[in-house]
Parts: sequence; structure tokens; C-alpha cells
Amino acid sequence: ETGVTQTPRHLVMGMTNKKSLKCEQHLGHNAMYWYKQSAKKPLELMFVYNFKEQTENNSVPSRFSPECPNSSHLFLHLHTLQPEDSALYLCASSQDRQGAREKLFFGSGTQLSVL
Amino acid sequence: AQKVTQAQTEISVVEKEDVTLDCVYETRDTTYYLFWYKQPPSGELVFLIRRNSFDEQNEISGRYSWNFQKSTSSFNFTITASQVVDSAVYFCALSDTGGNIDSGYALNFGKGTSLLVTP
Repeated sequence: ETGVTQTPRHLVMGMTNKKSLKCEQHLGHNAMYWYKQSAKKPLELMFVYNFKEQTENNSVPSRFSPECPNSSHLFLHLHTLQPEDSALYLCASSQDRQGAREKLFFGSGTQLSVL
Repeated sequence: AQKVTQAQTEISVVEKEDVTLDCVYETRDTTYYLFWYKQPPSGELVFLIRRNSFDEQNEISGRYSWNFQKSTSSFNFTITASQVVDSAVYFCALSDTGGNIDSGYALNFGKGTSLLVTP
């Protein structure tokens, strides 16, 4: 148990659906991250939030929409996804956004399949 | 160009064997950070170690040891007397500025090495 909880663990959705991924951290951290993990590819950073403010968006398509209502919760809203968006989506947190020099705490991820 | 290269895609060993996972990195920075993470079948990445570029001392933690060699830009990870519970995907990662301090640090992961330890 890393202190970062993601729901759901698995999600199957059609290309016209709208769904949301949820992440909650119980560590008192101030920075939260969304990563995408595709087969045979390095982890890709998608978004970074520091003190609820988005500080990084790595050219992610607009069909992915993050939301960070407070420092403990992070959402990823999904709509009109493509089959190539199927991947494991990992949430992580760290004490602060120290320029990615910190230890990250990860959740177990949501395995997303887009049909 | 990939910043972190983990040339070994999959490794299979028998329990109690020693195994070394290779990591080669590329950076123009003099100050940078290197990490290893473990991803068991449950999915979450678990932090193992962080080293900064000024500390080349090798580190040992139980059965785990890390060999940091700036001369060869490598940060290899050795598991001694491997156990079945060590089966996981292991990721090496580099945090640097890409040669531009104004852009801030970014964390780049390698593609990972899948380790299977069989009884």
C-alpha cells in the first residue's frame, strides 16, 4: 500500500463514451501526476499538478481532461477516446514539485481498454 | 534519442541466482538524478533508490546493490540471491534539465526490464 489509490482498476469503454478515472492520495503530498504506460514504451508523463494548479501538460490530446479539486484528489476525464489510448494509466504523487527530482509514490493504475 | 536505455527487455533466472539489470543514460547536465523503480504484477511502481550525480558511492540495501559509473554513464542494479518475489518489471529513470536549466527538470523512464525468477 503506497498511499495512492486509483479507481477503477479496470475500465472498458467505447469510443463515444465519457468516463473518469479517479486518484486519491493519503500522504499529504502537494504534487500529483498522471502517467500513461503503453506496452513496450517508456512511461509518458501526461499532466502535473502542484498545489492544485496544473504546471505541466505534455501535449496531451484534448480528449483527456484532468481535474484537481484539491491536493488529495486528481481526476482524468475521458471522452471520445481512440483504440490507441488503451493503456495503463498511473497516478503518482510527491511531496512537492521539485522539478521531477523527487521520489514518486504511484497508485496501482487503471487498465483502460478502448473498443 | 532515448535518454535512458535498458537494453535487457526480459531476463529469466532461477531462484538464488544473482542478476544484474543494466541501465545506461544520456545527459548533458552535470547535476542530475537517477532512480530505480520496481513494478510488481499489482501495477504500482515502487521506488527503490535515488542517486544524484555527485554521489558515485555504490549502495547496498539487503540483497539489492547499485553500481553508479559516471565514466560509462551507467547505473546498474544487482539482485543477489534472487527470489520469486523479485519477479517484476524494473525501471531506471533519469531526471535532468536537458541542458537547459530554465526548462526545469524532467523525469525520463527507460522501457523497463522484465525479470522472472523461477523456483
